[in-house]
Amino acid sequence: KAGVTQTPRYLIKTRGQQVTLSCSPISGHRSVSWYQQTPGQGLQFLFEYFSETQRNKGNFPGRFSGRQFSNSRSEMNVSTLELGDSALYLCASSLASGGRSTGELFFGEGSRLTVL
Amino acid sequence: AQSVTQLGSHVSVSEGALVLLRCNYSSSVPPYLFWYVQYPNQGLQLLLKYTSAATLVKGINGFEAEFKKSETSFHLTKPSAHMSDAAEYFCAVSVSSGSARQLTFGSGTQLTVLP
Repeated sequence: KAGVTQTPRYLIKTRGQQVTLSCSPISGHRSVSWYQQTPGQGLQFLFEYFSETQRNKGNFPGRFSGRQFSNSRSEMNVSTLELGDSALYLCASSLASGGRSTGELFFGEGSRLTVL
Repeated sequence: AQSVTQLGSHVSVSEGALVLLRCNYSSSVPPYLFWYVQYPNQGLQLLLKYTSAATLVKGINGFEAEFKKSETSFHLTKPSAHMSDAAEYFCAVSVSSGSARQLTFGSGTQLTVLP
């Protein structure tokens, strides 16, 4: 069974540009979550999607957005990039969402974004 | 609000020695708790999870953790460290937020294994 796939693995952008990251969850998983990982702030929750609906959102500015498609694949977008957006962006999938699930997540290898 | 605290951002042990990584949680309801491991330039891999069944949980690679409600702890242990255990370890608690669940992670513990 294939794991969570994230593309691209590495990318370099300049301030003011925008970026789109892609995530393909494990087959059969309908919930996709995104996390930002930085040395200073650690792992921070961005948002979660389930059945194409955003179910939860972390404390990030509106420049950070996402969506989920009918096949459960997800994308996140960051507009007007800032230097502080440099981070490893991790996508994770799970079978279910909400109170019925335990919250166990399966992570991809991440997309490492560098903003110059 | 629920949270986790990992004591010690860096831990060093000798190969063959006991590994003990500490995690304390704060939760107003019975928590779901997890330990994840992250190797350089990779994502997070689930080591083990506590979901209110047995309090002693066995995971992959010889790791185990014990849920102690009285101490609000979920420490990770391995009897004998191996060089391949060198990585960063994250404790996490599952938080219910409305209709969704999300993981709240500790700040991580970098484990170094000395030859």
